[in-house]
Amino acid sequence: EVQLVDSGGGLVQPGRSLRLSCTASGFTFGDFAMNWVRQAPGKGLEWVGCIRSKGYGGTTDYAASVKGRFTISRDDSESIAYLQMNSLKTDDTAVYYCTRPRSEGTVNAFDIWGQGTMVTVSS
Amino acid sequence: DIVMTQSPDSLAVSLGERATITCKSSQSVLYNSNNKNFLAWYQQKPGQPPKLLIYWASTRESGVPDRFSGSGSGTDFTLTISSLQAEDVAVYYCHQYYSTPLFGGGTKVEIK
Repeated sequence: EVQLVDSGGGLVQPGRSLRLSCTASGFTFGDFAMNWVRQAPGKGLEWVGCIRSKGYGGTTDYAASVKGRFTISRDDSESIAYLQMNSLKTDDTAVYYCTRPRSEGTVNAFDIWGQGTMVTVSS
Repeated sequence: DIVMTQSPDSLAVSLGERATITCKSSQSVLYNSNNKNFLAWYQQKPGQPPKLLIYWASTRESGVPDRFSGSGSGTDFTLTISSLQAEDVAVYYCHQYYSTPLFGGGTKVEIK
């Protein structure tokens, strides 16, 4: 079964850091870009960023709201994508989902989603 | 940057009736080289991640009931539920992946 499992969320104080993980199974992880999407409580979906597959350079892109604070990385040997979140703000409070595009190319709709992990930034 | 505008914010439809949601992009999401619209639709139920319904604006994802259909091209798109069922109560989002991914604001569908 193709699956993504998000983990690492929790309660963190403003200004601190947190690292989320997305563990994949059931497909060749290294062939796919991985994206992070978040959803603040009661709000809509916001794309956070992505990391391309090594075959497409392994480069990253980020939303303006997190650029310079968040970093996405990947360990293809373990089939895990990471979201390192630094200098967290209360506005970063959200459920964070990792998600995979439908095909190996970067640009496609997202067909597989993790269950989400909740991040609460509060003092 | 592209702006995605979904309407309405919410709608209530009787069981068995048609529900129509629109999504407008501030720029065309039609890629001329392959004639594909980089537009998808998702369904999200409370406490669950989004579920892909439609991609390339009109291609139904495997396993999605055929009462869901997508149409449109360029900047104007529509998701139609031809005969609303109780299990279709959810929030629906459009998503453009032509450039930096961006979602519409969502449309909440309820039973009248």
